[in-house]
Amino acid sequence: AQKVTQAQTEISVVEKEDVTLDCVYETRDTTYYLFWYKQPPSGELVFLIRRNSFDEQNEISGRYSWNFQKSTSSFNFTITASQVVDSAVYFCALQPTSGTYKYIFGTGTRLKVLA
Amino acid sequence: NAGVMQNPRHLVRRRGQEARLRCSPMKGHSHVYWYRQLPEEGLKFMVYLQKENIIDESGMPKERFSAEFPKEGPSILRIQQVVRGDSAAYFCASSLVPTRTGGFPGELFFGEGSRLTVL
Repeated sequence: AQKVTQAQTEISVVEKEDVTLDCVYETRDTTYYLFWYKQPPSGELVFLIRRNSFDEQNEISGRYSWNFQKSTSSFNFTITASQVVDSAVYFCALQPTSGTYKYIFGTGTRLKVLA
Repeated sequence: NAGVMQNPRHLVRRRGQEARLRCSPMKGHSHVYWYRQLPEEGLKFMVYLQKENIIDESGMPKERFSAEFPKEGPSILRIQQVVRGDSAAYFCASSLVPTRTGGFPGELFFGEGSRLTVL
């Protein structure tokens, strides 16, 4: 089965706090891609990162960082020093290499950053 | 270089009417995916099309919904006799021909979505 679980439905933090969004995935494929998207209140999907299954190096981009651990099938996303503009719904997604390459999305985590 | 274009961005229909949502893929892309996002939920796969072919419609409701991607023109998602439960955001994504080089498929590029409201 191919599945993505985002157990945190909603998280509230105060501005400048760090916050980690969890993502756990299931796949039998040995090669696959993992993604994070941001969906602000305006509704569009904003691409944040794409990571292939052979690259377990952590990645940092400004205040964003990602921790990919194949051993635990997790791809967690941390925002450092959160800002009000980070308030959005964040989706984790899996793209297997078997089948039709469709993305499988988690149910999303709503992040509220309070001033 | 235009991205994936979806229109209309917002569509309001009364129960029983038809809704047509259009998706123009990125230039050179011949694969289109449609996703539905119900209010307060994640994106659920509906259908995957190549030019003139439906490849995977496992996520599409069996009745009232249809999709096409003709040789010329945009992909169309058609919903007949809409009901309130069809109110959602519908996202389209396109990709190049998926490649098996190195075992990794093509990336999907998403449009901004079409928001359907059924009164």
